[in-house]
Amino acid sequence: DAGVIQSPRHEVTEMGQEVTLRCKPISGHDYLFWYRQTMMRGLELLIYFNNNVPIDDSGMPEDRFSAKMPNASFSTLKIQPSEPRDSAVYFCASSLVLGTGGSEAFFGQGTRLTVV
Amino acid sequence: AQSVTQLGSHVSVSEGALVLLRCNYSSSVPPYLFWYVQYPNQGLQLLLKYTSAATLVKGINGFEAEFKKSETSFHLTKPSAHMSDAAEYFCAVQYPGGYQKVTFGTGTKLQVIP
Repeated sequence: DAGVIQSPRHEVTEMGQEVTLRCKPISGHDYLFWYRQTMMRGLELLIYFNNNVPIDDSGMPEDRFSAKMPNASFSTLKIQPSEPRDSAVYFCASSLVLGTGGSEAFFGQGTRLTVV
Repeated sequence: AQSVTQLGSHVSVSEGALVLLRCNYSSSVPPYLFWYVQYPNQGLQLLLKYTSAATLVKGINGFEAEFKKSETSFHLTKPSAHMSDAAEYFCAVQYPGGYQKVTFGTGTKLQVIP
């Protein structure tokens, strides 16, 4: 498997524009996570899915953020409208949970978003 | 609520010296604990994990960590630092069972001095 694939790797957009980040998890994994990494706040969990169903979106900063997982092989994180404070590296990760947990999360290489 | 605290946002060691990165956890039940490493412009990758089997866990690249319940700690060590170990290291905690939320620490950047 090629691992978790994120696109684009880099995105520069103007304030107010819509931004869509994409993720293809590892085939067969049943959990998908979206994280945001900044210098100030570190690594924050935004939302995660189990079998394509959103389980916990309490980390989504505000209504401008939304995430979908229409099928087991694709997820999107959308920001509309984007603001400069959304500039960060966004990571997608997936895992296959066996038993009660303790499973490794496999991370993509991230999307570096810059909002100007 | 589960959380981890990493002491020291930056640690510098000389090549060949002992690496010690500290992590303390807070959890109401025995947790799962992880160490991940992040190289520049890369995603995180798993170094090792503790899932209630042996308290001394060995990972990749010569790293190991010991789960100490009495100290609520899970410190990461490596006997001899290599230049290639320079990276950012994250400790993480997860509740067994239920949902799979993993909470990460703030990270420790390791610098290896030649």
